[in-house]
Amino acid sequence: KNQVEQSPQSLIILEGKNCTLQCNYTVSPFSNLRWYKQDTGRGPVSLTIMTFSENTKSNGRYTATLDADTKQSSLHITASQLSDSASYICVVSAGGANNLFFGTGTRLTVIP
Amino acid sequence: DTGVSQDPRHKITKRGQNVTFRCDPISEHNRLYWYRQTLGQGPEFLTYFQNEAQLEKSRLLSDRFSAERPKGSFSTLEIQRTEQGDSAMYLCASSLAEGQGAKYFGPGTRLTVT
Repeated sequence: KNQVEQSPQSLIILEGKNCTLQCNYTVSPFSNLRWYKQDTGRGPVSLTIMTFSENTKSNGRYTATLDADTKQSSLHITASQLSDSASYICVVSAGGANNLFFGTGTRLTVIP
Repeated sequence: DTGVSQDPRHKITKRGQNVTFRCDPISEHNRLYWYRQTLGQGPEFLTYFQNEAQLEKSRLLSDRFSAERPKGSFSTLEIQRTEQGDSAMYLCASSLAEGQGAKYFGPGTRLTVT
């Protein structure tokens, strides 16, 4: 069964600290993996996209890793800011126009 | 703003009423998608268009739901005889047809059925 699981479900960190969010998937065949940031009441915004051959990709303070062998991905946020408070959703594509499998997200709260 | 836009942002309606949402994708994007998202869950696929053709519909899209993209640009999603279970965020996304690049999501329409 194609599934995407994220952990932790929620996370609270102090401003300025780093954190790492996890995504495990069982989607097959694998096409690509995306991380999205979704602010409350807003649509998701793409942070990174990685294909099978890529194992790390950065976007500012966000760094995503991908281990296609173990089917795991992580999103590392450095020097967190209050504006990083949001849900982070891992999305795995099995190829094709709409074969996207969404995780339920990690709710990150950054406190001063 | 050249992103995906959706209108309205919020809609409150009484059970049994019909509602229609609009999505304007990024202008050069051929593909347009509709998703539904309930609180604490990831988006669920509803349907997608390539240009004006509706190529796939999810089983979630009951016969009370209909989507159109008549000119291959903006799209509408209509829900007839709304039910309380229809309360959710309805997200629209667009992308280029041939790429595996990111889908760009709109801000969503929050529907509340009372």
